Amino acid sequence: KAGVTQTPRYLIKTRGQQVTLSCSPISGHRSVSWYQQTPGQGLQFLFEYFSETQRNKGNFPGRFSGRQFSNSRSEMNVSTLELGDSALYLCASSPGSNSGNTIYFGEGSWLTVV
Amino acid sequence: AQSVTQLGSHVSVSEGALVLLRCNYSSSVPPYLFWYVQYPNQGLQLLLKYTSAATLVKGINGFEAEFKKSETSFHLTKPSAHMSDAAEYFCAVQKKNTGNQFYFGTGTSLTVIP
Repeated sequence: KAGVTQTPRYLIKTRGQQVTLSCSPISGHRSVSWYQQTPGQGLQFLFEYFSETQRNKGNFPGRFSGRQFSNSRSEMNVSTLELGDSALYLCASSPGSNSGNTIYFGEGSWLTVV
Repeated sequence: AQSVTQLGSHVSVSEGALVLLRCNYSSSVPPYLFWYVQYPNQGLQLLLKYTSAATLVKGINGFEAEFKKSETSFHLTKPSAHMSDAAEYFCAVQKKNTGNQFYFGTGTSLTVIP
């Protein structure tokens, strides 16, 4: 069974631009969550989607948004990029949205904002 | 709010020596607890998890962790370190009935000395 796939793996953007990252979950998984990883802040929860509905949201500004499609694939978007948005963005999937589930991570998308 | 504390951002052990990585959580209700490992330029991989069954949890690659409610701890151990264990280790908590929102510790970088 294929794992969580994230695209693109690496990208460089300029301040003020926007970016869209894509995540394909493990087949059969309906929950997708997103995390931002930086050296200073560590791993921080962005949001979780389940059956196309946002279930949870972390403490990030409205420039960070996401969505989930009917096939469970998810995208996250960051508008008006800032230098501080440079990070590894990790997507994780899980069969359901019940606590206690294991979440399975993709390899991440490295975003550099210049 | 959930909080996870990992004591020691860097731990060095000799090959063959005991590995002990510390994790404490703060919660009035014992949450679900997880240990993940991250190798360079990769996503996170589950080592083990505690979901209120046995307090001693065995994971992959010879790792285990013991849940101690009285100490609010979930320390990770391995009897004998291998070179391949060198990686970043993250403790995470998941509050019950909140979906797949995880709170991660700041991580412990494990170095294995030959």
